[in-house]
Amino acid sequence: QAVVTQEPSLTVSPGGTVTLTCDSSTGAVTSGHYPYWFQQKPGQAPRTLIYHTSNKHSWTPARFSGSLLGGKAALILSGAQPEDEAEYYCLLSYSGAGRVFGGGTKLTVL
Amino acid sequence: QVQLQESGPGLVKPSGTLSLTCAVSGGSISSSNWWSWVRQPPGKGLEWIGEIYHSGSTNYNPSLKSRVTISINKSKNQFSLKLNSVTAADTAVYYCTNSFDYWGQGTLVTVSS
Repeated sequence: QAVVTQEPSLTVSPGGTVTLTCDSSTGAVTSGHYPYWFQQKPGQAPRTLIYHTSNKHSWTPARFSGSLLGGKAALILSGAQPEDEAEYYCLLSYSGAGRVFGGGTKLTVL
Repeated sequence: QVQLQESGPGLVKPSGTLSLTCAVSGGSISSSNWWSWVRQPPGKGLEWIGEIYHSGSTNYNPSLKSRVTISINKSKNQFSLKLNSVTAADTAVYYCTNSFDYWGQGTLVTVSS
């Protein structure tokens, strides 16, 4: 089964920009992996921010965006706010082999 | 807006079967492409368990496939998870979600005698 890797932790200053990445052990992440990004705060259910690489839901703050960068899926946060402090998970889909979550990135806004 | 609510026993004995139901409200269960179960052991990350499409076809995590069954009941607007031969390692918060748009609040299932 594929392993999906994320940075364990990142820190961003308020108002700053940070990029979270999502890497696959099978090779480059492509749009065919249909990358998702989720935000989870303590004691809460995950909330979907980005689906299929770069699509946003109506509730996704404009400061979040998704893309493919250097063979990885990426979640870019531009203009970080204190309320963005959370755990972020990516999810990749593998044809015929199901879906795999990354281990999560703990984002600190400090 | 679609709402999802998990329900089921909070305590299951080792070697028993974990059974959960996800009730869908605010929309038809036939309106989403697929319905998934995800779990999260205490203090750990998310794990995809599997999914069922409105056609009834299923897709499971290979590591759980031999123990998992996901089914759908369109007449009751709900779908279900069964996980058999459970151990303490199956203790987790279990979430249901529709095509990863909306999520249930999650339900903690503890495996213990």
